[in-house]
Amino acid sequence: AQTVTQSQPEMSVQEAETVTLSCTYDTSESNYYLFWYKQPPSRQMILVIRQEAYKQQNATENRFSVNFQKAAKSFSLKISDSQLGDTAMYFCAFMSLSGGYQKVTFGTGTKLQVIP
Amino acid sequence: EPEVTQTPSHQVTQMGQEVILRCVPISNHLYFYWYRQILGQKVEFLVSFYNNEISEKSEIFDDQFSVERPDGSNFTLKIRSTKLEDSAMYFCASKIQAGGETQYFGPGTRLLVL
Repeated sequence: AQTVTQSQPEMSVQEAETVTLSCTYDTSESNYYLFWYKQPPSRQMILVIRQEAYKQQNATENRFSVNFQKAAKSFSLKISDSQLGDTAMYFCAFMSLSGGYQKVTFGTGTKLQVIP
Repeated sequence: EPEVTQTPSHQVTQMGQEVILRCVPISNHLYFYWYRQILGQKVEFLVSFYNNEISEKSEIFDDQFSVERPDGSNFTLKIRSTKLEDSAMYFCASKIQAGGETQYFGPGTRLLVL
């Protein structure tokens, strides 16, 4: 079974600064996807960024980028130029590509507060 | 941009009552999921559904839960006799195909059992 660990329950960052959220995971599989989802106070789950395990290049999406270290099973999210709208709960998530149905396994989340 | 929708956004019910949570997945998606998030906890997988049958379910998804796709658009989660511990946010998700496609989540239904 896969596990996803987020060791930072809460973090804060000054507006316009950069913050990195940590995530580690455990799996015996080689083909999988990793995700960061954002959950604002409205509690809707919004996909922030996705990384395919077979790709060595780290994914980027505007101000969001990841540092994917496959051997270390680490998948951190960097938010540059933090904005007040980035205040939310961030969930790291894992999806195996084995089998056809591919449920997503979530970490416990990191609550990020952007301070004006 | 197409999105997953869920109704109602909030539901309050009495313990022991039946509830049906509704989801409309993205129209060309073929794989459907329900997840649950108890307040302050992580999101947990409940069930996946493909080709009109359950493909996988978690230990949470006991006999009190059922899912169906009654027509070509809706995907429902029924809880037959709600318990206090069923109070949670319920998320529906869908994806287009097998393989590494992203699951797109709906906005959730907040269920409160009194």
